[in-house]
Amino acid sequence: DIVMTQSPLSLPVTPGESASISCRSTQSLLHGNGNNYLDWYLQKPGKSPQLLIYLGSNRASGVPDRFSGSGSGTDFTLKISRVEAGDVGIYYCMQGLQTRRYTFGQGTKLEIE
Amino acid sequence: QVQLVQSGAEVKEPGASVKVSCEASGYTFRSYDINWVRQATGQGLEWMGSINPYRGDTDYAQRFQGRVTMTRDTSISTVYMELSSLRSEDTAVYYCARESWNNGRYCGMDVWGQGTTVTVSS
Repeated sequence: DIVMTQSPLSLPVTPGESASISCRSTQSLLHGNGNNYLDWYLQKPGKSPQLLIYLGSNRASGVPDRFSGSGSGTDFTLKISRVEAGDVGIYYCMQGLQTRRYTFGQGTKLEIE
Repeated sequence: QVQLVQSGAEVKEPGASVKVSCEASGYTFRSYDINWVRQATGQGLEWMGSINPYRGDTDYAQRFQGRVTMTRDTSISTVYMELSSLRSEDTAVYYCARESWNNGRYCGMDVWGQGTTVTVSS
């Protein structure tokens, strides 16, 4: 299975500042069709996970443009601009290259300083 | 609106089985695979398996092979996840999540159930 590794695991951020989360995979997530099969999810406290980004850089419906995904192959980044109090939670990356063999990163906990 | 509604919390003894349901509404049930993901207390997300509601075919994570069974009832737009031979380590919140594709293009797990807490304790 593909192993996903996130860093940092804890991310204190001042409101209004930017934050970045890194996600690395043990195998390239770049498919022959040119898409990177990498998703980002946010789990707010006490809630179900919600989709933020799919195929590496595509924002899901309703996701503010303060959230952006980038990267290719084995290295990916989620950037959050102008962090707000409502952005707190745990962010997970997930590989979707191996259909029906999905694996998640350990999660990155974003906290407001 | 599009939603997945899961059954309520369960408490089971070690060695028993649990069956969690996930009812879909607001979209064409047969058109989207459903994944099951679990989260032990204070831990991360773990994919357990998937079911195609149209064909009924399934795939399970290797570590759950032989213990998990996913089924569906198309007449009531519901999928089920049954986990047997429960042990304390299976205490977790279990989520169902819809896998979205648009014109052959993968679009992520875009709808999640509210989660079902399963507690395994004697």
